[in-house]
Amino acid sequence: DAGITQSPRHKVTETGTPVTLRCHQTENHRYMYWYRQDPGHGLRLIHYSYGVKDTDKGEVSDGYSVSRSKTEDFLLTLESATSSQTSVYFCAISERDTNNQPQHFGDGTRLSIL
Amino acid sequence: RKEVEQDPGPFNVPEGATVAFNCTYSNSASQSFFWYRQDCRKEPKLLMSVYSSGNEDGRFTAQLNRASQYISLLIRDSKLSDSATYLCVVNPAGNNRKLIWGLGTSLAVNP
Repeated sequence: DAGITQSPRHKVTETGTPVTLRCHQTENHRYMYWYRQDPGHGLRLIHYSYGVKDTDKGEVSDGYSVSRSKTEDFLLTLESATSSQTSVYFCAISERDTNNQPQHFGDGTRLSIL
Repeated sequence: RKEVEQDPGPFNVPEGATVAFNCTYSNSASQSFFWYRQDCRKEPKLLMSVYSSGNEDGRFTAQLNRASQYISLLIRDSKLSDSATYLCVVNPAGNNRKLIWGLGTSLAVNP
């Protein structure tokens, strides 16, 4: 299995609080991605990174920010969590960002915003 | 028409059966395709890429039909451990930032 660790695995917090999710990889892959998965929706890309300090928005980036200060770490921050951000969050990595380069996923973080 | 469509199932089959899923896509320029499996409350795991010529990995066979814009997954000799949700993924743009994920097809293999 790809060396991807997400933390925390589960979190329950209140509306309005800041939340940071961490993705750590040991594969030295350049590309990292944050997704959310919700019932009735396929996986949706929140943000991605194509290198240290290089990030860009995905399909559902509103309310989220990211940072990548080291190749191995990609952080996702909810500055002021809302109930609509209750979801399962997956981090993914890929070696290249071209055709036929599959992504590999971490175990996920289950986040509940009350 | 949705960008990627899958029959949600569930498909209930006995052990040893052969089962096939299709996934249709709307963008005729789509360039790469994948099947992932996802177990309940787990992360998606790559099952196989889908090549134009079709490809086989053990009991699993994937096919691409560009003319009709669908990909298929055939599972032979189903095992209990094949019970999962199978996600179709389409890459319309040539980079991983634009992957389109299907909602998945649920498979239950029964003893």
